[in-house]
Amino acid sequence: GENVEQHPSTLSVQEGDSAVIKCTYSDSASNYFPWYKQELGKRPQLIIDIRSNVGEKKDQRIAVTLNKTAKHFSLHITETQPEDSAVYFCAASNQAGTALIFGKGTTLSVSS
Amino acid sequence: DTEVTQTPKHLVMGMTNKKSLKCEQHMGHRAMYWYKQKAKKPPELMFVYSYEKLSINESVPSRFSPECPNSSLLNLHLHALQPEDSALYLCASSQEYRGETQYFGPGTRLLVL
Repeated sequence: GENVEQHPSTLSVQEGDSAVIKCTYSDSASNYFPWYKQELGKRPQLIIDIRSNVGEKKDQRIAVTLNKTAKHFSLHITETQPEDSAVYFCAASNQAGTALIFGKGTTLSVSS
Repeated sequence: DTEVTQTPKHLVMGMTNKKSLKCEQHMGHRAMYWYKQKAKKPPELMFVYSYEKLSINESVPSRFSPECPNSSLLNLHLHALQPEDSALYLCASSQEYRGETQYFGPGTRLLVL
């Protein structure tokens, strides 16, 4: 079955710096890759997603890149702000196989 | 309406109690999910309902019993829980099952004494 590895597990940056979180997946049939942000005590909130027919997607300060050949995808946050501090989860799924498989999460801390 | 709602927000129960968690969505989604989440861990899938039929039961103990009365509602009935079942229980929904964006509810924080 699908396995999703996420790195790093913790990431500390200064306000204004960029942050990059990477995930690798094992099932080449996976074709949908969402990223969720979860603040303390809150629900996971979808921040961006990408499908396998697209290599990159951007939404303001957030971007996701996908390399299907290498089976990895990354979240890029530019000009980080303290309110970006949260746990970020990547996930993968495909229409023919399993439901969402989550990575273990990255705790991002942005200090001002 | 683009929200998934859950009640109650918090629940404290003893090991002999019976309680139910409720989830509702009015987005016309045909797939609904129950997840269990421990602190700083990813959500763990428990059950999936697709078109009101149970599609997946991820080897969850029988003390958790899901129910899907209609396409908008999902319940999780709890009975004889253990302290290790204390967690955040999240409901989610998606347009269809598999390969679709899932939207999460705010969760029910459960404490079993």
